[in-house]
Amino acid sequence: GQNIDQPTEMTATEGAIVQINCTYQTSGFNGLFWYQQHAGEAPTFLSYNVLDGLEEKGRFSSFLSRSKGYSYLLLKELQMKDSASYLCAVKDSNYQLIWGAGTKLIIKP
Amino acid sequence: IAGITQAPTSQILAAGRRMTLRCTQDMRHNAMYWYRQDLGLGLRLIHYSNTAGTTGKGEVPDGYSVSRANTDDFPLTLASAVPSQTSVYFCASSDRESGGWSEQFFGPGTRLTVL
Repeated sequence: GQNIDQPTEMTATEGAIVQINCTYQTSGFNGLFWYQQHAGEAPTFLSYNVLDGLEEKGRFSSFLSRSKGYSYLLLKELQMKDSASYLCAVKDSNYQLIWGAGTKLIIKP
Repeated sequence: IAGITQAPTSQILAAGRRMTLRCTQDMRHNAMYWYRQDLGLGLRLIHYSNTAGTTGKGEVPDGYSVSRANTDDFPLTLASAVPSQTSVYFCASSDRESGGWSEQFFGPGTRLTVL
């Protein structure tokens, strides 16, 4: 079966750094996405990794290791507005997205 | 403003009733998707369409049907609603890129309660 695992919830302090991990087992791999979803809103695209390594985009970075079936999202200089759920999704061999349940990130002052 | 619209925003429905959730995009994307999102679960694909005139079944298609008469519209119909279909429904679209599909853009969602 196909499976995406993420921690259910994480807490971090404003101004700090947090790393959200995602491990996957899917039928084929054609890229990994990270989305942000604020409560009551739609998911919005954050990052995409298809090759191993780190992709940096401002305060957010995403890392991929295809051999380990592993990715992480790194958020730096945390702000209160970063409180949201972060969704990991893998594009499988049929180019469909398989979604993790999401990690709820709580930012404390 | 380019994007995806969904209607209604929310709906309370009696079990056994028929309901159509509407979705329209103006980005001229080839592919469109319907997901449901339930607490503690990831987004689950109900149906998808890779291009106008074609549709496919996702992970949880039972009880739902779709049509894709043109590029912009992708309605989702519940023929006879049941309480287990209480959920938040998201419509999404994506463009075709070389080697597959690009990131998906989501509508604001429809919150459906079936009593």
